[in-house]
Amino acid sequence: GENVEQHPSTLSVQEGDSAVIKCTYSDSASNYFPWYKQELGKRPQLIIDIRSNVGEKKDQRIAVTLNKTAKHFSLHITETQPEDSAVYFCAALDSSNTGKLIFGQGTTLQVKP
Amino acid sequence: KAGVTQTPRYLIKTRGQQVTLSCSPISGHRSVSWYQQTPGQGLQFLFEYFSETQRNKGNFPGRFSGRQFSNSRSEMNVSTLELGDSALYLCASSLTPNRQGPSQETQYFGPGTRLLVL
Repeated sequence: GENVEQHPSTLSVQEGDSAVIKCTYSDSASNYFPWYKQELGKRPQLIIDIRSNVGEKKDQRIAVTLNKTAKHFSLHITETQPEDSAVYFCAALDSSNTGKLIFGQGTTLQVKP
Repeated sequence: KAGVTQTPRYLIKTRGQQVTLSCSPISGHRSVSWYQQTPGQGLQFLFEYFSETQRNKGNFPGRFSGRQFSNSRSEMNVSTLELGDSALYLCASSLTPNRQGPSQETQYFGPGTRLLVL
């Protein structure tokens, strides 16, 4: 079935450094890839998303890149801050286009002050 | 606009009981998806509803069911609860324009209902 693999499972960086999280997906027909941030005890919040007709998207310190040929996409956070500490989930929209998101297993990001 | 709301926020049930969870989407959103979140399995898709129709269902047993009302509010029901059903149940709504339309719309999550089965 459809699958999304996410790496690494944990990531620790110093404040000000960059963080990169990578995901691969199995369904070549997937065309929408959101990233969510979930703080402890809170709901997942969308931080950025990308559609398959775009290779890269940036929003201030956050960027996402998509390689459709290799079926992988990555989240880049620059100038990390302690408040970036959270669990980050990548997801791919199922090719049925019926609102089914397939999530990666999550990356726990710790930004040390 | 008010965000996605879910009730109740916390539930404690015993094995064999049943439970009904409710989700109110953002005003104007017609698609509601449900997910189960556990430490071991992560976020897993349960089902999605659009205009009172279930359009997709995940790999969960028939004990898990749902429905959507004409005002887009959705409920999910779990019957004959098992210990393994303990989880955070999240719903998400999106502004999908029509039943056949693509779902490349942002899904906004509610705060979830934390279910503990004893």
